[in-house]
Amino acid sequence: AQRVTQPEKLLSVFKGAPVELKCNYSYSGSPELFWYVQYSRQRLQLLLRHISRESIKGFTADLNKGETSFHLKKPFAQEEDSAMYYCALSGQSSSNTGKLIFGQGTTLQVKP
Amino acid sequence: DAGVTQSPTHLIKTRGQQVTLRCSPKSGHDTVSWYQQALGQGPQFIFQYYEEEERQRGNFPDRFSGHQFPNYSSELNVNALLLGDSALYLCASSSFGHLYGYTFGSGTRLTVV
Repeated sequence: AQRVTQPEKLLSVFKGAPVELKCNYSYSGSPELFWYVQYSRQRLQLLLRHISRESIKGFTADLNKGETSFHLKKPFAQEEDSAMYYCALSGQSSSNTGKLIFGQGTTLQVKP
Repeated sequence: DAGVTQSPTHLIKTRGQQVTLRCSPKSGHDTVSWYQQALGQGPQFIFQYYEEEERQRGNFPDRFSGHQFPNYSSELNVNALLLGDSALYLCASSSFGHLYGYTFGSGTRLTVV
């Protein structure tokens, strides 16, 4: 079964502390993994995807196929990082193109 | 470019009624996907439309149906509403076959009483 698990509903850190938002997935094949973010009163938007291997707003995520994980990391949290973060998966077969499977989301709260 | 536009933003319906939600995709996008987001949960895929046809469908009953028009806009219809259908309904548009340009709307908050 295709599934994305985000074990923490809430992660609370102080400004300047490192952040790691956990994401584990279950998929038989080669998935494409994404992190989406939703800031307060804004719409869901793409933060980064594993294929691009880029750093966005200081966040990075590495796909670990052995552990089936795609954790989101940032070395120094900022107050403006406070938001809801969703990990999402898509299969690479043509039949799965365009369908995203989301985790339940983790609320990141960065305290001053 | 207004991005993805959804209407209405909120509505309240009575159990057993029918509802239609609307979505206009971002300019240049030809594919529309619909998601249901219950409170405290991540979005769940309902279905996707491309070239006016349903291309993929998630695990939702036939009460959920949709349509795509020649201008790429889309409607989501839900019949025989249940209390459990209360949720935020999100529309996302993209170019067919490409997920990196996936753009979400702000959603329609449906409350069934």
